[in-house]
Amino acid sequence: GENVEQHPSTLSVQEGDSAVIKCTYSDSASNYFPWYKQELGKRPQLIIDIRSNVGEKKDQRIAVTLNKTAKHFSLHITETQPEDSAVYFCAATPYTGANSKLTFGKGITLSVRP
Amino acid sequence: DTEVTQTPKHLVMGMTNKKSLKCEQHMGHRAMYWYKQKAKKPPELMFVYSYEKLSINESVPSRFSPECPNSSLLNLHLHALQPEDSALYLCASSQVAGSYEQYFGPGTRLTVT
Repeated sequence: GENVEQHPSTLSVQEGDSAVIKCTYSDSASNYFPWYKQELGKRPQLIIDIRSNVGEKKDQRIAVTLNKTAKHFSLHITETQPEDSAVYFCAATPYTGANSKLTFGKGITLSVRP
Repeated sequence: DTEVTQTPKHLVMGMTNKKSLKCEQHMGHRAMYWYKQKAKKPPELMFVYSYEKLSINESVPSRFSPECPNSSLLNLHLHALQPEDSALYLCASSQVAGSYEQYFGPGTRLTVT
């Protein structure tokens, strides 16, 4: 099955700096890669996703890049703000119909220092 | 409306109790999921329903019993739980099972005493 690795486990940046979080995956059949943000005590919130036929996707201050050859994808946050502090989970899935399931990375805790 | 709702928000139950968690979505999604999440860990898949049929059971103990009465509702029946079952239980839905966005509900914080 799919295995998603996420490193490092914690990241601290100064407000206004950029943050990059990287994930690697093992199953070359994976074709959908979402990123979730989870603030303390709240639900995981889908913030951006990318499919395997696209190399990069942007939404305001966040972007995701995908390198299928190297089997890694990254979340980029520019001009970080304190409210970006949260746990970020990456995930991957190959499409297998009704038996499809997301495999999550272990999560990274991002702290933005004011 | 991209909202999944869950009740109750918090639940404390003894090991001999029977309780149920409820989840509802009105987005017309045909895939619904139950996840279990421990502190500082990623969500762990328990069950997937696709078109109201159970398609994935991740070897979950029988003390957890899912039910999908219709395309909008998902229940998780709990019986004879153990203290280690204490966790945040998240419901999610997606358009169909597969490479589609999953939207999570706020979760039920379960404590087993």
